[in-house]
Amino acid sequence: AQSVSQHNHHVILSEAASLELGCNYSYGGTVNLFWYVQYPGQHLQLLLKYFSGDPLVKGIKGFEAEFIKSKFSFNLRKPSVQWSDTAEYFCAVRRVGIRSNDYKLSFGAGTTVTVRA
Amino acid sequence: DADVTQTPRNRITKTGKRIMLECSQTKGHDRMYWYRQDPGLGLRLIYYSFDVKDINKGEISDGYSVSRQAQAKFSLSLESAIPNQTALYFCATTSGYNEQFFGPGTRLTVL
Repeated sequence: AQSVSQHNHHVILSEAASLELGCNYSYGGTVNLFWYVQYPGQHLQLLLKYFSGDPLVKGIKGFEAEFIKSKFSFNLRKPSVQWSDTAEYFCAVRRVGIRSNDYKLSFGAGTTVTVRA
Repeated sequence: DADVTQTPRNRITKTGKRIMLECSQTKGHDRMYWYRQDPGLGLRLIYYSFDVKDINKGEISDGYSVSRQAQAKFSLSLESAIPNQTALYFCATTSGYNEQFFGPGTRLTVL
């Protein structure tokens, strides 16, 4: 079964620190990969996505993620966080090519990021 | 975004009551989804629909049912609510292989 693992449950850091959130998945075939962010009290919003091509993907608000196929990973990074980056971050994976799984996302458990001013 | 709306936004109910959560979208998408979010578990898929006549169970469909009244509307029902169905519920939509767009969520508490 498809599973998505996010290594950190809660990350606390200071403004201007660098952030890296890990995401690994277990499916060996072709995948589409997503990072969503959920600010306090709000709905999920897309940060970035990878479908194909350059494995280094740039998203909104200075975030980027790198797809490493050999490691089944799609880690999210930001060089310098701000207080406004305090949120919950979700990695999601979609298996491609198997009709019964097409269009469905499997989500990780989420990582809560707290940025202290 | 206002493109995907959910009603109600908050609901407190008692065990055994029937509850309906509604989702509407103006994005013209054909695919709609219902998820529940629980702390430490992320989002789990309850039901999804590819069009009005195509409804599928997700990973945690027990205790839930859905209705796709029109392309733009997808309702989730709890026939007899129980306390462990207390959660945050999200509706999402998509078309093709694009990302999913989420509604604002419904916070449901079952006492």
